[in-house]
Amino acid sequence: QQQVKQSPQSLIVQKGGISIINCAYENTAFDYFPWYQQFPGKGPALLIAIRPDVSEKKEGRFTISFNKSAKQFSLHIMDSQPGDSATYFCAAPPATDSWGKLQFGAGTQVVVTP
Amino acid sequence: GAGVSQSPRYKVAKRGQDVALRCDPISGHVSLFWYQQALGQGPEFLTYFQNEAQLDKSGLPSDRFFAERPEGSVSTLKIQRTQQEDSAVYLCASSSRPGHSGTNEKLFFGSGTQLSVL
Repeated sequence: QQQVKQSPQSLIVQKGGISIINCAYENTAFDYFPWYQQFPGKGPALLIAIRPDVSEKKEGRFTISFNKSAKQFSLHIMDSQPGDSATYFCAAPPATDSWGKLQFGAGTQVVVTP
Repeated sequence: GAGVSQSPRYKVAKRGQDVALRCDPISGHVSLFWYQQALGQGPEFLTYFQNEAQLDKSGLPSDRFFAERPEGSVSTLKIQRTQQEDSAVYLCASSSRPGHSGTNEKLFFGSGTQLSVL
């Protein structure tokens, strides 16, 4: 049973545009929401993360928006660049005391065209 | 090394063969995790070590899967009698903090071992 549902499966955006990826979760025990970026042939790398006590977190061109009541969170990539072309995964741990046991979404393949 | 190292990078096995996948975590990292990533999917948790102790193996799909970390550093994931459904990328991740601590920490992933079972 997938407890983190991610959409869209893929998206294409022009250079300079905004990429938006959405995730919905079911388990209200989730209290940490990281986003990982994965390039072909590489392992995932932590991009940005948020806790549910804040509604938004921004790091450079990457922003997480969190809606606790809707049990949804999203990643916005502003001014998308060709180097951002990768697969992005949202994730959540089932409990604070098992933070490394992440449940990942199915991933969104982002392609940024020149 | 500077990052998590996994070997081999690629492994092709005939169905029924045993395979062993190696993970060298970042030096000094106490937590080590194994994940399985099927093609086009997100990683799925397999097992967790804190130092040499295997504290969680709830994600191992069958008793054909076995992991060890005897000295609290290098870990090996062994798959016996491989089946075609075992074909996937096996990722290892490590962290400097215990995996059951009360704070959320960053996982450092290796590039994985791509296993193909024919």
